[in-house]
Amino acid sequence: DGGITQSPKYLFRKEGQNVTLSCEQNLNHDAMYWYRQDPGQGLRLIYYSQIVNDFQKGDIAEGYSVSREKKESFPLTVTSAQKNPTAFYLCASSIDLSNEQFFGPGTRLTVL
Amino acid sequence: QKEVEQDPGPLSVPEGAIVSLNCTYSNSAFQYFMWYRQYSRKGPELLMYTYSSGNKEDGRFTAQVDKSSKYISLFIRDSQPSDSATYLCAMSEGLTNAGKSTFGDGTTLTVKP
Repeated sequence: DGGITQSPKYLFRKEGQNVTLSCEQNLNHDAMYWYRQDPGQGLRLIYYSQIVNDFQKGDIAEGYSVSREKKESFPLTVTSAQKNPTAFYLCASSIDLSNEQFFGPGTRLTVL
Repeated sequence: QKEVEQDPGPLSVPEGAIVSLNCTYSNSAFQYFMWYRQYSRKGPELLMYTYSSGNKEDGRFTAQVDKSSKYISLFIRDSQPSDSATYLCAMSEGLTNAGKSTFGDGTTLTVKP
């Protein structure tokens, strides 16, 4: 089955720690994205990548970092510099930047 | 003012009702319009994807885009309890803005049996 997987489903972190969220897709999509969703709000773009070894900041990139070493993988690191990291994080992919995006199941991060 | 406005609801309807969900926007450069369904604690699922103005139908779902009014709608016919979810509209300029999508805040729908 083709799709997008995110792990873990739930993640707990102590303040001051970095944490990395995994996103893998086997859809052969070139573009990948990371969004953050807070309760009662829409999705806000953190980072996106058009192709391997290339990525761009979205609207709320501060305190986050990404890498795109493989087409299938786009991990997101939430650093200790992110002031309010507790949120639902969603990864998405699309054939290219002009096509519709498909989402993974999400990772819920809670900072203790 | 947000670029995309969506009535948050909540919206509650009886089973079998016709549901109308709406979004307005301010950016006239938006060319692509999407509707996503999101169940609680799950990732959004793409329902409809349309380009420019017009209607698109898929089963019980119809998407309408009126670019002159900067208004889009999603209609659900014969609504079912399984349609209970949050519905997100999204829009993008396409390649002219690197394909970035702007999302509404979502409308929560409950369909009562």
